[in-house]
Amino acid sequence: DAGVIQSPRHEVTEMGQEVTLRCKPISGHNSLFWYRQTMMRGLELLIYFNNNVPIDDSGMPEDRFSAKMPNASFSTLKIQPSEPRDSAVYFCASSDGTSGAFFGQGTRLTVV
Amino acid sequence: DQQVKQNSPSLSVQEGRISILNCDYTNSMFDYFLWYKKYPAEGPTFLISISSIKDKNEDGRFTVFLNKSAKHLSLHIVPSQPGDSAVYFCAARGPNGYALNFGKGTSLLVTP
Repeated sequence: DAGVIQSPRHEVTEMGQEVTLRCKPISGHNSLFWYRQTMMRGLELLIYFNNNVPIDDSGMPEDRFSAKMPNASFSTLKIQPSEPRDSAVYFCASSDGTSGAFFGQGTRLTVV
Repeated sequence: DQQVKQNSPSLSVQEGRISILNCDYTNSMFDYFLWYKKYPAEGPTFLISISSIKDKNEDGRFTVFLNKSAKHLSLHIVPSQPGDSAVYFCAARGPNGYALNFGKGTSLLVTP
């Protein structure tokens, strides 16, 4: 298995633009997580899905952020409109519920 | 509100010596604890875990100790190697979900 796959690896966008981050979890994993890493706050959970259903989105910072999981093999995190303070590394992770989560390599987002 | 705390942002250890990374948590409902290792430009990778019913788990050079009464866990690496230089994240999970709560990480530098 190739592991959790995220795209793009890097994204630079202008303030106000829409940004879409993509994730393909490990096949067979029924939980998917979106995390954001910043220097100030470390790794913070944004949202997680179980069996494609959003379970907890209390970490989503604002209504500008939305996440979807239309099927078991794909999820998106969208920011519209983006702001400079959204600049961070966004990680997707998946789990089969028996142990910890496996992380993708992350998307480094820069909003200028 | 940070439920998992790593109070040492960095640690420097000589090669061959023991590295001890510490982690404190506040939520007594956490029942599963993990350590992740992260290299620059990569996602966190799972290192070792421990269930709350145990107080020690060992895997090669890595040992995790859990003190439930103190709500404290630690990761021991012995002997430390230069390749162990990375950021180490402590994570905890509660019984009601799969999502992991992370500390802010400790950057370990192992010098030759």
